[in-house]
Amino acid sequence: KAGVTQTPRYLIKTRGQQVTLSCSPISGHRSVSWYQQTPGQGLQFLFEYFSETQRNKGNFPGRFSGRQFSNSRSEMNVSTLELGDSALYLCASSLEGGTNTGELFFGEGSRLTVL
Amino acid sequence: AQKVTQAQTEISVVEKEDVTLDCVYETRDTTYYLFWYKQPPSGELVFLIRRNSFDEQNEISGRYSWNFQKSTSSFNFTITASQVVDSAVYFCALSEGTNAGKSTFGDGTTLTVKP
Repeated sequence: KAGVTQTPRYLIKTRGQQVTLSCSPISGHRSVSWYQQTPGQGLQFLFEYFSETQRNKGNFPGRFSGRQFSNSRSEMNVSTLELGDSALYLCASSLEGGTNTGELFFGEGSRLTVL
Repeated sequence: AQKVTQAQTEISVVEKEDVTLDCVYETRDTTYYLFWYKQPPSGELVFLIRRNSFDEQNEISGRYSWNFQKSTSSFNFTITASQVVDSAVYFCALSEGTNAGKSTFGDGTTLTVKP
């Protein structure tokens, strides 16, 4: 059974650019969550999607957005990149969805470096 | 607001020693999940254990065991007979209600097991 797949694994951008990250959840999982991991702030929740609807959003500016497709694949976008956006972006999927989700299955992450 | 505190930033042990990782949490929810995840150098967080708030029974799973005490809001994790492969960053996490998709993570404890 394939795990959570995130692409690209590594990318380098410059300030002001935008970036799109992709996440393919485990087959059958309908809930997809995104987290940002940095040395200074740790793991922070970005947003969660379930059945193509954003169910929850963390405390990030509007430059951070996402969406989920009918096949549960998800993308997140960061516009007008800032140096502080450099981080490991982790995607996680879970089986049950709704308000009774089980454990999260994480991808290996997309490491974004903003120069 | 929810909060997870892992007071131990780094722990170093010698192989075969037992090690306990501490976790204290804060939540206003009456029903929630607690998790432990492991993040090896590759970056992918791996689920280890889950505990429901209404089940304080402590269990052992192989070399892993956990001690959940609702009265002190603690969810400690013990590795028995540690091995070098256990070296990783360990995260304690708390779900928002029963939605693990939006979890609050502690800052992590870096465990180093020396041969």
